[in-house]
Amino acid sequence: AQSVTQLGSHVSVSEGALVLLRCNYSSSVPPYLFWYVQYPNQGLQLLLKYTTGATLVKGINGFEAEFKKSETSFHLTKPSAHMSDAAEYFCAVSGGQGAQKLVFGQGTRLTINP
Amino acid sequence: KAGVTQTPRYLIKTRGQQVTLSCSPISGHRSVSWYQQTPGQGLQFLFEYFSETQRNKGNFPGRFSGRQFSNSRSEMNVSTLELGDSALYLCASSLVSGQWYEQFFGPGTRLTVL
Repeated sequence: AQSVTQLGSHVSVSEGALVLLRCNYSSSVPPYLFWYVQYPNQGLQLLLKYTTGATLVKGINGFEAEFKKSETSFHLTKPSAHMSDAAEYFCAVSGGQGAQKLVFGQGTRLTINP
Repeated sequence: KAGVTQTPRYLIKTRGQQVTLSCSPISGHRSVSWYQQTPGQGLQFLFEYFSETQRNKGNFPGRFSGRQFSNSRSEMNVSTLELGDSALYLCASSLVSGQWYEQFFGPGTRLTVL
């Protein structure tokens, strides 16, 4: 079984500051990990994903995440926040290829202060 | 290539009624998954259809059902609506079943139950 915990339901940073959104997972098999972004009144857009291979994954809009198996973490970072980054972010896990479903965290709402 | 489309985008129903939501996947995609998103429970997997067959199912009561047609379009039905069914219902498509790392989401249908 898989589960995801996102630390902090709300995160606020200043424009130009580092963005760090935390995600810890639990999985009984090697996980596939994902970060999605949701803007108001829209569906989910995939930011990045980890399946196998390189543990540092780069995504769209300057975001990246690092898979740390020893810490069961997959934190999302961006060096410099932009106003357009304000949205809700979801971390998700699946149990690899052919897994039965995708399990989402509760989400983190990111606010960018001018 | 057109994305995942969902109709209608907004829907208002009263308790006890039933509702049908529609999802058209990306052309060529044969797997369609449905999710319920609420402020309290977050994003929860409802079910997945592939080649007109339900492949996976989440923990929802039998009032929630779905089907998939030969052109891969999918419908989701909720009978005997309850206030707690008010949610954003998201549909996602992928080429094949279990391909969670290549899943694309639609904009969702916002259902309000009065």
